[in-house]
Amino acid sequence: DSGVTQTPKHLITATGQRVTLRCSPRSGDLSVYWYQQSLDQGLQFLIQYYNGEERAKGNILERFSAQQFPDLHSELNLSSLELGDSALYFCASSPTPAGGIGYTFGSGTRLTVV
Amino acid sequence: ELKVEQNPLFLSMQEGKNYTIYCNYSTTSDRLYWYRQDPGKSLESLFVLLSNGAVKQEGRLMASLDTKARLSTLHITAAVHDLSATYFCAVDIGGGADGLTFGKGTHLIIQP
Repeated sequence: DSGVTQTPKHLITATGQRVTLRCSPRSGDLSVYWYQQSLDQGLQFLIQYYNGEERAKGNILERFSAQQFPDLHSELNLSSLELGDSALYFCASSPTPAGGIGYTFGSGTRLTVV
Repeated sequence: ELKVEQNPLFLSMQEGKNYTIYCNYSTTSDRLYWYRQDPGKSLESLFVLLSNGAVKQEGRLMASLDTKARLSTLHITAAVHDLSATYFCAVDIGGGADGLTFGKGTHLIIQP
């Protein structure tokens, strides 16, 4: 157990739907990062939050959004889902806003869009 | 735009042999990470390399970083079947501004 908790582990939904993925960072970590892993795109950085504030954006689609709450857990919202959104979504956390000493990854949420 | 290239992307080797995975990146950085991923599983941190010339070893794996050449290597010594996995290198340009940029991964199969 890495200390980063992601729920749900698996999600199957239909095209056009909206889903929410949840991440609780490791105790003491203030930064949360979201990544998408797919066969064709590999591992891609989506977005980062630090202590409740958005800090960096990567290749995140406009249909996707995220937030970090006062208790530091984060949610990634995916809407108007398409077949191509099927992927493994990872959350990672780190103690600082700048990675540095390392990032700890959760076990991921496997999203299947049918 | 930061690009991270790994090679080889696929490697099949026999137990007992040595081999090296290479990771090149395109932008100045002194922060490089190696991860292991088993099929369908999470990313397990192997090494964090934070300065030029950094060398770290854990068991049969050794990683090094040459920031001037923008190159990191992951060396496997006397491979065993349990090391079969996909290995990723990732680069952080500093400040955490863009998260981690990952290579495509090296799919390693070690055969008895």
